[in-house]
This record gives sequence, structure tokens and C-alpha cells, in this order.
Amino acid sequence: AQSVTQPDIHITVSEGASLELRCNYSYGATPYLFWYVQSPGQGLQLLLKYFSGDTLVQGIKGFEAEFKRSQSSFNLRKPSVHWSDAAEYFCAVGAQGTYKYIFGTGTRLKVLA
Amino acid sequence: DSGVTQTPKHLITATGQRVTLRCSPRSGDLSVYWYQQSLDQGLQFLIQYYNGEERAKGNILERFSAQQFPDLHSELNLSSLELGDSALYFCASSVAETPYEQYFGPGTRLTVT
Repeated sequence: AQSVTQPDIHITVSEGASLELRCNYSYGATPYLFWYVQSPGQGLQLLLKYFSGDTLVQGIKGFEAEFKRSQSSFNLRKPSVHWSDAAEYFCAVGAQGTYKYIFGTGTRLKVLA
Repeated sequence: DSGVTQTPKHLITATGQRVTLRCSPRSGDLSVYWYQQSLDQGLQFLIQYYNGEERAKGNILERFSAQQFPDLHSELNLSSLELGDSALYFCASSVAETPYEQYFGPGTRLTVT
């Protein structure tokens, strides 16, 4: 069955430190992969997406993600976290030719000053 | 601002009642998705419409229904409300029929008392 797993429910990092949020997926078809961010009381905002091609994708707000087919992963990274990055982050997967779009359970990021 | 609008922002109603949530997609987007977000269930996909037709169904209760109108706005109808229906309801839109990046509205917070 298709699934998306975000193993970390909560992550705390210090401002200026690097960040990596994990996302693993199980999908039969070639996946389309997405990362979204949700600030408190807000809707979700698309950070970046991967459809094909270069496996390292750049997004908004200085985020990047790397698609690793062999590991079924699409981890989100940022070299230096800002206090304003504190939010909840969702990984999502879809596939061409299907209507299924699955969100992970989210990772809540806390940033220490 | 994603370009997706949702009304109302907040809704407080009693058990057993019926409410209608409204969503206007981004200009040019033909797909509308509805999601329910609660603390215990996370982000749950409810239903998708594309150009007026239902395309995919997720964990939508029989008490809930939706439709998309010729002007592409969508309504989510929730009836016989229960306390457990209290949640944030998000609408998202995308240009394509199959999973593409989605643009989320700010949500409607429903409180059932």
C-alpha cells in the first residue's frame, strides 16, 4: 500500500544550525514528491517539488530536498535555520496517472534562540 | 497569499446541525481538494473535484458531501454534526487533474459544541 512516513514528530534545533527532516515513501509508481510548511493558524504552503530530473531540488526560503530512489527518501534540508522556520512540515507524494495524494503525519520544528 | 479563499474563517455550531463551507480556487485552477485537519487524525484527504466532476474520494464520511460549481468554486456540506467533527477544514486547488502541487486556502475552523 502507498504510504508516506515522517519518522520524527518533533525536532528542536538552535538558530543557525543545519536542519534535515526525513521523509520515506512507499509507492508503486514513479512518485511526485512535495514538501509543504504550515505555520500556526495558517494553511499549507508549498516549499518545493520533485517530478523528475535532477534529484536535488531547490525550494523557497532556502530549503532543498534530495530524492534518493534507492532509499525511497526525500529528505528536506536547510543549511542554517532561522527562528521564523519554526512550523510544521509535511511531506507528500503523488503519482502521474493516479488521483492519490498522500500526506505524511508532519514534523513539528522548534527553533531555539 | 495562495490565491485560494475560504469562507467563513470560523464557525461555531451545535451537534446535529448542518453547515456549508465555501472555497474559491486560484484563478485558472480546475481541481479542488478538501482536507480535514485535527489533532488526533492529522491531515486527512476528503475529496477531490476536477472541473465540476468528482475525481477521488478519501476518508469522507457519508454525512459529508461536496460539489464543484460551473464557476469552479466548491462547497463542502457537513450534516448531523458531532463533537468529533470539530477540526480545521482546508481547501486546496491545483491546475491539473492528477497530483500536482496544491495551493492551500487559510482554512475554516469548525467548532461543534
